[in-house]
Amino acid sequence: LAKTTQPISMDSYEGQEVNITCSHNNIATNDYITWYQQFPSQGPRFIIQGYKTKVTNEVASLFIPADRKSSTLSLPRVSLSDTAVYYCLVGPGGGQNFVFGPGTRLSVLP
Amino acid sequence: ETGVTQSPTHLIKTRGQQVTLRCSSQSGHNTVSWYQQALGQGPQFIFQYYREEENGRGNFPPRFSGLQFPNYSSELNVNALELDDSALYLCASQGTDYNEQFFGPGTRLTVL
Repeated sequence: LAKTTQPISMDSYEGQEVNITCSHNNIATNDYITWYQQFPSQGPRFIIQGYKTKVTNEVASLFIPADRKSSTLSLPRVSLSDTAVYYCLVGPGGGQNFVFGPGTRLSVLP
Repeated sequence: ETGVTQSPTHLIKTRGQQVTLRCSSQSGHNTVSWYQQALGQGPQFIFQYYREEENGRGNFPPRFSGLQFPNYSSELNVNALELDDSALYLCASQGTDYNEQFFGPGTRLTVL
């Protein structure tokens, strides 16, 4: 299973763009990259998923370079409500191979 | 709201007891996974059920067992509870988009 490495914590201010990078050097050919957001005492919430290049949805963008050994979650113009833990997961379909690391604790300050 | 519900929300047990946690999947989802999340850590995969059969298991002892019912709801059973079993237990269901999991709010289990 591909292991991921991401910063333990990050601070930002309201209105800024936040980029969280995840390293996954031994990603397999059939692995997808998925990001989840988790608030205290709640279950994780799916943010975005990608396989290669760039994916964008209404809340975030995901940038994946050609070698797929890393990925960057980009949150445009964060607000206080974006304060949460963000998890980068790498694995094939099925969910049983999704390994959650400790995540990145993002604190958005006023 | 993901449509995934879990019960109870909180539970207190003593060491050696047994516990059953319940999960109702989002409508139309036939795959459910269970996770254990200790304080300050990421969720750890326990096992997954697909159409009532176990379809993958993480590094958890046999005293962690599960069931999935024909309506795709699920149970997690833990026997001989230990203090380290204190955690938030999450279930997640999946549908046709196999890579996206929808998590419930979790059950907070405290073992004294």
